Amino acid sequence: AQSVAQPEDQVNVAEGNPLTVKCTYSVSGNPYLFWYVQYPNRGLQFLLKYITGDNLVKGSYGFEAEFNKSQTSFHLKKPSALVSDSALYFCAVRDPDTGRRALTFGSGTRLQVQP
Amino acid sequence: GAVVSQHPSRVICKSGTSVKIECRSLDFQATTMFWYRQFPKQSLMLMATSNEGSKATYEQGVEKDKFLINHASLTLSTLTVTSAHPEDSSFYICSARWDRASQDTGELFFGEGSRLTVL
Repeated sequence: AQSVAQPEDQVNVAEGNPLTVKCTYSVSGNPYLFWYVQYPNRGLQFLLKYITGDNLVKGSYGFEAEFNKSQTSFHLKKPSALVSDSALYFCAVRDPDTGRRALTFGSGTRLQVQP
Repeated sequence: GAVVSQHPSRVICKSGTSVKIECRSLDFQATTMFWYRQFPKQSLMLMATSNEGSKATYEQGVEKDKFLINHASLTLSTLTVTSAHPEDSSFYICSARWDRASQDTGELFFGEGSRLTVL
């Protein structure tokens, strides 16, 4: 079975400081990994994904994430946080070897960027 | 591209009535769509996989007779909550997988969600 853990319910960071939102995963094969962002009462917006290739993936709005196979992690990062980055962030995984096409989501991390 | 439209965005109904939520892929074809449910301050829980032209595949614990899913075309899936009860109140989000000739990259495109409130 595939699963995702986001150990932090909330992350607080000051505007201009770097931010990290943590994610670890568990799959039997090689994972497809994703980050999505959700604003209040809205659907999910795709930020970035790792399928194969470079471990450092760059995505929308200046976000990036690093795939670390040995630590089974896919932490989301941004060098300089903006107040507008405040939202709910979800890490998701899919194990393509299982044939299961749906994504499994983590519990979400609320990012609060203070001015 | 890859826009998913979900309608209605907000619906209030009386207990015992049925509510239909539509999910459309506007600019791409989607053989497969997914319906998720999100409780307040919680993650997205997969309810079912909607397959064009065939029966939906429901996750364990999801009542197929209560949550009817129809995927009649390559761009439309509907979720009908039958005989709604207050405990069905939730945020329902659909997502679509883009059918492409190229390698399946796995990402899903999400609708804006539908907030159902059952009185």
